[in-house]
Amino acid sequence: SSELTQDPAVSVALGQTVRITCQGDSLRSYYASWYQQKPGQAPVLVIYGKNNRPSGIPDRFSGSSSGNTASLTITGAQAEDEADYYCNSRDSSGNHLGVFGGGTKLTVL
Amino acid sequence: QVQLQESGPGLVKPSETLSLTCAVSGYSISSGYYWGWIRQPPGKGLEWIGSIYHSGSTYYNPSLKSRVTISVDTSKNQFSLKLSSVTAADTAVYYCARALDTATFFYWGQGTLVTVSS
Repeated sequence: SSELTQDPAVSVALGQTVRITCQGDSLRSYYASWYQQKPGQAPVLVIYGKNNRPSGIPDRFSGSSSGNTASLTITGAQAEDEADYYCNSRDSSGNHLGVFGGGTKLTVL
Repeated sequence: QVQLQESGPGLVKPSETLSLTCAVSGYSISSGYYWGWIRQPPGKGLEWIGSIYHSGSTYYNPSLKSRVTISVDTSKNQFSLKLSSVTAADTAVYYCARALDTATFFYWGQGTLVTVSS
């Protein structure tokens, strides 16, 4: 079973703001990273560290963390943001092992 | 621009060993970073398999540790995955990736589907 928990599905109206969350004990010690995956494509890193965006990722994507919960916020969601979103981090063992959340399917209405 | 490309058999028989290679271009593996493998069964989520530091230190998913070996070949600028005693549950798209640490994957290969079937 995954040590990072995500809601299976979230929806947002076009142009509105949506928050996707990820819960896990390891998030008290490590930042989460967030990946966007569209059908038939490899995942793309959209947020890492405290709130860092790789080059080419729109600034409507942002990340935050509080306690055991990390959040990915999309401010002004666009149709092209419809995708699966996965969080990941290191696990709570302290051995630098990786773990992914189960993923959240985002629908833009 | 870093690019990664997975290669290997698309079909493996049950109980045999799955072997994949990730060829890296645009960056020398020996210069640094972590390098990892992630898989995704059809219609399911991502699973971290393991990561290797450029110097050779390895980190494996505990649920797969007894069957997994990840290695680096700096002379060929590639790294490899071996997964032994495969079953149908190992059928998945396998991705290789470059990571900032053991779990932050910055650059991904396109993925390769491996089917375990007799």
